[in-house]
Amino acid sequence: DAGVTQSPTHLIKTRGQQVTLRCSPKSGHDTVSWYQQALGQGPQFIFQYYEEEERQRGNFPDRFSGHQFPNYSSELNVNALLLGDSALYLCASGLRDRGSYEQYFGPGTRLTVT
Amino acid sequence: RKEVEQDPGPFNVPEGATVAFNCTYSNSASQSFFWYRQDCRKEPKLLMSVYSSGNEDGRFTAQLNRASQYISLLIRDSKLSDSATYLCVVRNSGGYQKVTFGIGTKLQVIP
Repeated sequence: DAGVTQSPTHLIKTRGQQVTLRCSPKSGHDTVSWYQQALGQGPQFIFQYYEEEERQRGNFPDRFSGHQFPNYSSELNVNALLLGDSALYLCASGLRDRGSYEQYFGPGTRLTVT
Repeated sequence: RKEVEQDPGPFNVPEGATVAFNCTYSNSASQSFFWYRQDCRKEPKLLMSVYSSGNEDGRFTAQLNRASQYISLLIRDSKLSDSATYLCVVRNSGGYQKVTFGIGTKLQVIP
């Protein structure tokens, strides 16, 4: 049973550039959430996708956008990169109708903006 | 006030000790609670859900106190392999399951 996968594992970008990160959820899961984790901090919720639509959004600017595909996989796009966007980006999947909502995380993409 | 607050530690405890972490949350309508474990430079992994009646999984016990709005995690007979950051997670009410993480409490078990 494949878990949550993310690509790429590491990425180095320059300020002002754009980046796309990818996530495939755990088999059988239908929701995907994205988180940003800066060094020494807990993960911060960016947004969640279900049925190919953004359903919830955290306190992140519009430079952060996403997409969910019919196969439930998802992309996170960040435009006009800032140095402060350097972080570990985590994708988590879950089941929409599961009452307790347990999430399973991928290994993350470590983004460095120089 | 932060939605979810944790003492970042570090908690340095000897092998075999019992250690407890608390986490407070501000939204009284919060519905679900979890503890995750995160090893250095790795992804968070679900340790256990926290139920109203309290629950135990081996050496780990989780408790929820809705009246005081806190959850706790107790680790008995600490092992070196328990060294990690423990993240408190709260899911608020609403149709699409927004969750909030605490900053995490770092535990270092020493020989």
